Amino acid sequence: DGGITQSPKYLFRKEGQNVTLSCEQNLNHDAMYWYRQDPGQGLRLIYYSQIVNDFQKGDIAEGYSVSREKKESFPLTVTSAQKNPTAFYLCASSIDPGSYNEQFFGPGTRLTVL
Amino acid sequence: AQTVTQSQPEMSVQEAETVTLSCTYDTSESDYYLFWYKQPPSRQMILVIRQEAYKQQNATENRFSVNFQKAAKSFSLKISDSQLGDAAMYFCAYRNLLGGGSNYKLTFGKGTLLTVNP
Repeated sequence: DGGITQSPKYLFRKEGQNVTLSCEQNLNHDAMYWYRQDPGQGLRLIYYSQIVNDFQKGDIAEGYSVSREKKESFPLTVTSAQKNPTAFYLCASSIDPGSYNEQFFGPGTRLTVL
Repeated sequence: AQTVTQSQPEMSVQEAETVTLSCTYDTSESDYYLFWYKQPPSRQMILVIRQEAYKQQNATENRFSVNFQKAAKSFSLKISDSQLGDAAMYFCAYRNLLGGGSNYKLTFGKGTLLTVNP
């Protein structure tokens, strides 16, 4: 079955630690995205990538980093510079960034800072 | 920058009844896309329906339909014959048609939590 997988489902981080959230898709999509969701808020864009080896900052990129070395993979690192990282993180992909086609979402990762 | 506003934090509906969720947006663009996404308790985001701004005809998908009023910048979602499985958080989202780069991002409202009562 084609889709997007995110791991782990739950992640706990100590203060000062970097953690990496995994996102993999087998939909052969060019574009991938990372969103952050906080209670009572909509989704906010962290980073996006339109093609392999290219990525751009979204609205709330500070304290986060990404890489896009393979078409299928778009991992997100939450660094110690992110002041309030506790949130639900959603990865998404689309066939290409400019088309009408929808963004497909993964099941999400819940990150909690201890 | 575009903004999306959902003025109803929570709504409830009786099973088999009809409910309408409101969404307004602000943009200076003339061509764009609008979406309604559903997020059930599993938290998996699922596309419900989408609308191209250059199409006057309102989109429909089975029991889901929209009322798109471009001049008023309004994009409401109507759910007919509500079912227990419709209970979820519903997000309205906007995306530019053109522009490249971050213009392709989805801008989301804060969501409306829909409860379906048996």
